[in-house]
Formats: sequence, C-alpha cells, structure tokens
Amino acid sequence: GQQVQQSPASLVLQEGENAELQCNFSTSLNSMQWFYQRPGGSLVSLFYNPSGTKHSGRLTSTTVIKERRSSLHISSSQTTDSGTYLCALEGAGNTGKLIFGLGTTLQVQP
Amino acid sequence: DAGVTQTPRHEVAEKGQTIILKCEPVSGHNDLFWYRQTKIQGLELLSYFRSKSLMEDGGAFKDRFKAEMLNSSFSTLKIQPTEPKDSAVYLCASSFFAEQFFGPGTRLTVL
Repeated sequence: GQQVQQSPASLVLQEGENAELQCNFSTSLNSMQWFYQRPGGSLVSLFYNPSGTKHSGRLTSTTVIKERRSSLHISSSQTTDSGTYLCALEGAGNTGKLIFGLGTTLQVQP
Repeated sequence: DAGVTQTPRHEVAEKGQTIILKCEPVSGHNDLFWYRQTKIQGLELLSYFRSKSLMEDGGAFKDRFKAEMLNSSFSTLKIQPTEPKDSAVYLCASSFFAEQFFGPGTRLTVL
C-alpha cells in the first residue's frame, strides 16, 4: 500500500479561512519535506522538517515522528495559495530518496 | 545562486524516437534525482546519483530509461525508444544530504 498518505485529497476554501493538511506515513522516517506546486509548475520546497514545528509566514509545519504524521497549517488563506501541496519522506537509513504522497489540491475562492 | 535548470522545457517526439533530457543541479549539491510525474501515478523516482555514482537505476524503468552523470554539474536522461505512455513531466532535483530542490521540469509528449 501507499507508504505516504495525504488527506484530504482536495479542499475548497473561502479566502481568509484556515486549512490543515495531513500526511501520514507507514514507515520510519529520516526527514520530511513539504512542497507546493502550481498547475503546470514545478515543486517549490516549503519546509524541510524532520521533527517538531516550523513556521514561515502564514504556514506552519508540524512533524510528530512517534505518531508517524506531519501536518501543514495554512492560516488566513489567499487565492494565491491555490495549487497542490505534496509531502514527501526520506525513509530511515539516509538514502536521500524521497517517497511522495499523492498530494492535496487546494482551491481558495475569493 | 542558480537553482536547478532543465532543458528543454517542452519536447514532442514520435513513437520510437530517442530523446535526451538535460539537468544542471545546484552548484555544490552532491545528490541528483530524476523523477517522472503523471496525474495517475504522481511522482516516481527514475534514477538517483550520489557524488556522481549511480545509487538507483530505475527498477521498472530500467529497460528504456538511462540516466548518466558525466560530471558533478550535468546529468542526462535518455529515453530510447519512446512510447506514448512515456508522456509525462520529467523533473530533476538536487540536494546536499537533505532538502531537495527541483528544476522547472520537461514536459514530454510522445505521439
């Protein structure tokens, strides 16, 4: 089965609302990374977060290794936040390889 | 600093052709990755180099896909022969032991 599961698969918000995106993994982890992808665009790294909580503007990433989950919180969403959010984990062993989830597609309406 | 660069950005090939995609990693990065992205499968790892040594050669992609890294600042991905099912976006990424950074991708269409 899928080693990295993201939920929800899609989400529609009104501008100004908050969003919580989840990433659950079934294997032990060396690191966790969150990416943003605009339609037709490439992947932009949002967070490299092996454990704990990190903040960047309106975004917060929290990884809890014991519970095998990571979350991405978007506060006060804007229409420009629309796109796909992908989480990826590097398994134990420092292989360098990332295993990706299928992503959450976010649409923020004005 | 320049990010990861990829050329061409778009490629259209006839079935059976050979195509070569190019990637220049971020200067100083020691890991380089080739991925394929489709709507159905998501992101799939094709090849992975560490300090120019091939660490992963693509598993199911081995027979027609060949990645090379001739020096630390340049890599190619050859697909030979192309098939319509190879139509996808091909992404190159590099990292220095941890956080990966992606290039803009090459959109390949095989007719």
